[in-house]
Amino acid sequence: QITLKESGPTLVKPTQTLTLTCTFSGFSLSTSGLGVGWIRQPPGKALEWLALIYWDDDKRYNPSLKSRLTITKDTSENQVVLTMTNMDPVDTATYYCAHRLAVVGPIRVFDYWGQGTLVTVSS
Amino acid sequence: EIVMTQSPATLSVSPGERATLSCRASLSVSSNLAWYQQKPGQAPRLLIYGASTRATGIPARFSGSGSGTEFTLTISSLQSEDFAVYYCQQYNDWAFTFGPGTKVDIK
Repeated sequence: QITLKESGPTLVKPTQTLTLTCTFSGFSLSTSGLGVGWIRQPPGKALEWLALIYWDDDKRYNPSLKSRLTITKDTSENQVVLTMTNMDPVDTATYYCAHRLAVVGPIRVFDYWGQGTLVTVSS
Repeated sequence: EIVMTQSPATLSVSPGERATLSCRASLSVSSNLAWYQQKPGQAPRLLIYGASTRATGIPARFSGSGSGTEFTLTISSLQSEDFAVYYCQQYNDWAFTFGPGTKVDIK
């Protein structure tokens, strides 16, 4: 059974750096083909993909946010960490981590999601 | 960046009726298109990928079609649990993008 859970601060100040941790179970990120991504959703708005890390440490970022994002993994701890610098009120959103569907080929979709964590950016 | 648009923004349907949702890409995404369902307060749920392949455990009343720039999600007979927001997502290039969503509500 695959589960994921996001953790981190619920409130950050403008200009601060946000660090979110995704702790997962039911799979290992050392297994070929697997990946974990981050997606966010501002209140009442649509989804926005942020980053994706693969089992081989290949990392991909949303080009519009790439300069502010870093994704890393700790395979032994079954965790993926996302950092986002220079936070702004427009970054207020629910942040989700999700498991990339494990099928052969470039199928970059997410079949298991965490419950999400709401991060508010305010002074 | 490939821009995804969805129509209509809101679709009012009676239980048991058919619902047809549209998604359009600003550039061809081949068949690299997925659909998700999201209910209030919940994470999205993967329904369809590869434009027409149902994800594990998804009922047969959900079907997807299309390729290139025009895609359709059809719910053949709406059940009460199907009233939700539906998002399409393209993954043809590395800047995955989602559509703005279609809300399916009770007529």
